[in-house]
Amino acid sequence: DAGVTQSPTHLIKTRGQQVTLRCSPKSGHDTVSWYQQALGQGPQFIFQYYEEEERQRGNFPDRFSGHQFPNYSSELNVNALLLGDSALYLCASSLRQGVGYEQYFGPGTRLTVT
Amino acid sequence: KNQVEQSPQSLIILEGKNCTLQCNYTVSPFSNLRWYKQDTGRGPVSLTIMTFSENTKSNGRYTATLDADTKQSSLHITASQLSDSASYICVVMGGISGYSTLTFGKGTMLLVSP
Repeated sequence: DAGVTQSPTHLIKTRGQQVTLRCSPKSGHDTVSWYQQALGQGPQFIFQYYEEEERQRGNFPDRFSGHQFPNYSSELNVNALLLGDSALYLCASSLRQGVGYEQYFGPGTRLTVT
Repeated sequence: KNQVEQSPQSLIILEGKNCTLQCNYTVSPFSNLRWYKQDTGRGPVSLTIMTFSENTKSNGRYTATLDADTKQSSLHITASQLSDSASYICVVMGGISGYSTLTFGKGTMLLVSP
């Protein structure tokens, strides 16, 4: 049973470009959350998708957008990249009605903006 | 404002020794508290999840405690191993299930030296 997978593993972009990160949730999970983790900091919640809709959103600008597909996989899009967007982007999946609402994290995508 | 504070920020201990990490939170309403272990550049891995009614929960050499009255939690690591070197993140879930939020601490960086 595959856990949460993310692609790509690493990515280097220049300022102003756009990037798309991908996430496949753990088998049986229906909810995907995205987090941004700067070096030395805890993860910051970006948004959460369930039933192909954005259900919750953290304090991130509209440059950050996402999508969830019918197979529950998800994409995170970031437009007009800034140097400050350099971070580890984590995807976490969970079962909406799961007890304790436990989230399983993927290995992350390391984004470097130059 | 929901906050999770962890201490110490970093810790160095000798292999085989025990250590205790602290977490204080101001998340309300409280749903559950989780401890995650995060290896450098990797996604967090869940160690324990505790609800309001649980005071102690163990996972191998890891034992977490929760005092919901004082809003404090600790993670005790027994007989530390080199592989325990990682960041340990305290995460508190608040709100109503299905519309809950996760508040992350910044983590305690643990280094176990030989």
